[in-house]
Amino acid sequence: KQEVTQIPAALSVPEGENLVLNCSFTDSAIYNLQWFRQDPGKGLTSLLLIQSSQREQTSGRLNASLDKSSGRSTLYIAASQPGDSATYLCAVPGGTSYGKLTFGQGTILTVHP
Amino acid sequence: EAQVTQNPRYLITVTGKKLTVTCSQNMNHEYMSWYRQDPGLGLRQIYYSMNVEVTDKGDVPEGYKVSRKEKRNFPLILESPSPNQTSLYFCASSSRQSTMNTEAFFGQGTRLTVV
Repeated sequence: KQEVTQIPAALSVPEGENLVLNCSFTDSAIYNLQWFRQDPGKGLTSLLLIQSSQREQTSGRLNASLDKSSGRSTLYIAASQPGDSATYLCAVPGGTSYGKLTFGQGTILTVHP
Repeated sequence: EAQVTQNPRYLITVTGKKLTVTCSQNMNHEYMSWYRQDPGLGLRQIYYSMNVEVTDKGDVPEGYKVSRKEKRNFPLILESPSPNQTSLYFCASSSRQSTMNTEAFFGQGTRLTVV
């Protein structure tokens, strides 16, 4: 059974810092990994999708890496801003039903001015 | 604009009163699913559909029904809601390609309270 773990559970940083969020998964036979952002009580916004054949994916100040063999992904946020404050979730497909995403518990990020 | 639309966004109802949460996507995706999100339990899949008229149970299907009569719509039905179904619900869709799964798109969520 696929299990996804995110570390740290919460992170508070001053504005301008570069930071790294970690995601690990137990079954390395994945097709891709997706990072989402969730604002309080709101929907999930897709940030980055990394296919299993890729090692990195970039979008603006965000960079996600994927190491299938070690079962790890990292989300790097450069020059953090207060507007980056949200919960960040990683998810991998597979599991007990076709197309099902297994999510980590998320990292709650707070960027203070 | 590619999107998944859920309605309503917020709903307060009483125990036993049937309700339907609608979900519609405009990306011609084959795969659609419903999740619920609860504190400490994360996101769990309720039901999914691989295409029109094809649906199956996810991890927590008890107390829910779904239907897929059209490709774009995937409503979630609570025939007799109970307080333990108070949750934040998400509809998601993705395209079914050779890599089994591609980018998933989520709706804005429906906050349901059953009293």
